[in-house]
Amino acid sequence: QVQLVQSGAEVKKAGASVKVSCKASGYNFAGYYIHWVRQVPGQGLEWMGWINPDSGATRYSQKFQDRVTMTRDTSISIAYMELTRLRSDDTAVFYCARDWLSDYFDYWGQGTLVTVSS
Amino acid sequence: SSELTQDPTVSVALGQTVRVTCQGDSLRSYYANWYQQKPGQAPVLVFYAKDSRPSGIPDRFSGSSSGNTASLTITGAQAEDEADYYCTSRDSSGNHWVFGGGTKLTVL
Repeated sequence: QVQLVQSGAEVKKAGASVKVSCKASGYNFAGYYIHWVRQVPGQGLEWMGWINPDSGATRYSQKFQDRVTMTRDTSISIAYMELTRLRSDDTAVFYCARDWLSDYFDYWGQGTLVTVSS
Repeated sequence: SSELTQDPTVSVALGQTVRVTCQGDSLRSYYANWYQQKPGQAPVLVFYAKDSRPSGIPDRFSGSSSGNTASLTITGAQAEDEADYYCTSRDSSGNHWVFGGGTKLTVL
């Protein structure tokens, strides 16, 4: 069965970087884009961008464009999202989600809480 | 425009029908997809594209679209339907995705 398992919670200082992983299983990892979504506590979902695991091509939301990098390692079916220059308002749960044929996100990871302290 | 607008809160009496709406210019070109999120859980896809429901989602969930507005209808709302609902779609450029602000559904 399709599963996306994310790395564990992180606590970071303001100004630092965080790298969250998303391990895929149960399907051909290279065949489906992976999206990353941020959710600040008590607030809504924000799309951050996607990565094409096959080519490595990426597309980022303008909001995160200058601070986010999405990468992948196809040999171990893992997608990564790195966010730099963390601020206290980056404290959030970050989700990865599989893109089904560019139509919708059908499977989601369990989420990774990143806490940024000043 | 790259925004999708949802009513922040909606309530429905148990067993009644409720419609959650999502408005945005991009919906004239792209279908909305709908996600249900309960506290402490990841979002779950409940309706997508023109008229599709994932396996395991009750048939009381349905969707529709007209012009710049997409709707998720729950016919005969149950207590377990109490959750946040988010619409999402591509933005008008087609190159990015955008989420609505979410609707908190209360089942009375």
